[in-house]
Amino acid sequence: QSVLTQPPSASGTPGQRVTISCSGSMSNIGSNTVTWYQQLPGTAPKLLIYTTNQRPSGVPDRFSGSKSGTSASLAISGLQSEDEAEYYCATWDDSLNGIVVFGGGTKLTVL
Amino acid sequence: QVQLVQSGAELKEPGASMKVSCKASGYTFTHFAMHWVRQAPGQRLEWMGWIIGGNGNTKYSQKFQGRVTISRDTSASTAYMFLRSLTFEDTAVYYCARDVGLPGSPLDYWGQGTLVTVSS
Repeated sequence: QSVLTQPPSASGTPGQRVTISCSGSMSNIGSNTVTWYQQLPGTAPKLLIYTTNQRPSGVPDRFSGSKSGTSASLAISGLQSEDEAEYYCATWDDSLNGIVVFGGGTKLTVL
Repeated sequence: QVQLVQSGAELKEPGASMKVSCKASGYTFTHFAMHWVRQAPGQRLEWMGWIIGGNGNTKYSQKFQGRVTISRDTSASTAYMFLRSLTFEDTAVYYCARDVGLPGSPLDYWGQGTLVTVSS
C-alpha cells in the first residue's frame, strides 16, 4: 500500500489534455516538493517534473506539475502516442525522519 | 555524460544474500547521494534507502531496516546494495538512482536496473 495515492489508470486520445492526481498528507506532499517520473515499459524511470513544477532539460512543455495542499497533479497537454507509460509521483516524508515515498503509479493509455 | 551502470542479473535461492553494484561516471561521486529503489514484477516503485557519497551516511526504509546495507567505494565511484535473508517476495528489478543529497531532491539519473530472481 502506497503512502501517496494515484489512480491506477488514465486515458486520453491524441491531442487531448490529461491530468493525473497524487494525494498525500501534511507530512509528505503538504511539506515537500513533488517529483514525477515517467516509466516506459521495460525501462528505468525517467525524471519528468521536479520541485513540483520544473521540467528538466529535454522534457517538452506539454508536461506540467502543480500542487495544492496535500495533493499534486501532473498535466499532459497535446497528448501523443509516445506518452503512453506509467507515471509515478514521489516526495519525501518527514514523519519517519525523512524518507522517499512513491505513489502507486498511473498507467496512461493513449487511445 | 552521467552514467550509472549496474551489475548483471542474478538468480538466488531463498535465504541467500544478494549484492548489487552501481558504478557511476560523468560526475563527482562524492558530491551526490545514491538511492536504491526496487520494483517487483508489475508493481510500483519502492524506495529502499540511500547513501551520501561524501560522508557515507545512510538511511533505510523501515521495511528493509536490519536486512539491507548500502555502502560505497569512493575510489571506484561505486555504490553497493546488500540484501540478506532473501524470500520470493524479493524478486524484483533493483535500481540505483542519483540525487544531490538534499531532502526533496529528485532522482535525476537512474541505472539500467538489475533483475534479481529468488527461486528454489
